[in-house]
Amino acid sequence: GAVVSQHPSWVICKSGTSVKIECRSLDFQATTMFWYRQFPKQSLMLMATSNEGSKATYEQGVEKDKFLINHASLTLSTLTVTSAHPEDSSFYICSAYEGTETQYFGPGTRLLVL
Amino acid sequence: QKEVEQNSGPLSVPEGAIASLNCTYSDRGSQSFFWYRQYSGKSPELIMFIYSNGDKEDGRFTAQLNKASQYVSLLIRDSQPSDSATYLCAVKGAGGGNKLTFGTGTQLKVEL
Repeated sequence: GAVVSQHPSWVICKSGTSVKIECRSLDFQATTMFWYRQFPKQSLMLMATSNEGSKATYEQGVEKDKFLINHASLTLSTLTVTSAHPEDSSFYICSAYEGTETQYFGPGTRLLVL
Repeated sequence: QKEVEQNSGPLSVPEGAIASLNCTYSDRGSQSFFWYRQYSGKSPELIMFIYSNGDKEDGRFTAQLNKASQYVSLLIRDSQPSDSATYLCAVKGAGGGNKLTFGTGTQLKVEL
C-alpha cells in the first residue's frame, strides 16, 4: 500500500522559533497533499490543501502567513510553523492523495512549544 | 448542523461480538465515504471506502451506504481487543478537490 512519511515525529521548541515539518510520499507521486491539525480528543481539522507547483489553499481561519506550505515536488510537501507559540502545540498530520479515491496519512508530528 | 456526525461513544462490545458504528452526513451530493481507524496517539489508517449504495465487505469489516438516508455505517465482526480505537467517518463532498470532511469519531472499546 501507499506509504507516507513525516519528519520529525516529535519536536519541542521555544516560543517564537519556526519549525519545519516534512511530508513525503515514498512509493507514489502525490499531486495533492493535505495538512491537518488535531488537538487532544478532537477530530482532524483540515488546515490546507497543498498542490504541487502551486500555492496552497488554506481553510477558513488558518493564517497562511503563519503556516507556510511548500509543495515543491511530487513527493514532498513541507509545513513551516512560523513564530510558534504554545497555542500552536498540536499533532500535525499530513496526507497524500494517491490518485484514485484514497488519502493516505503520514504518522504525524507532535509539536510542543514551550 | 455538523457536516459529518458520529456518536462519540464510547461504544463497548464484548470480544467476539459485532460492533456497529454509524455516521450521517449533510451534503446530499457527497460522493465517497471512508472509514479510518485511529489508535490513541497515532495517525488515522484507512480501513475501507464505499461509494455505491449497499454493502461492501473486506475481511471482518463491512461498510454500508444508504445515500437516500445520508447514512453510512461500519460493521466489525468478531470484534477483538485490538479493534479498540477511535473510528473516523470521512466524506468526500460534491465540490471536488478531493477534500475529506471528518466526523469527530466514535471510540470503540472491545472488552475481554
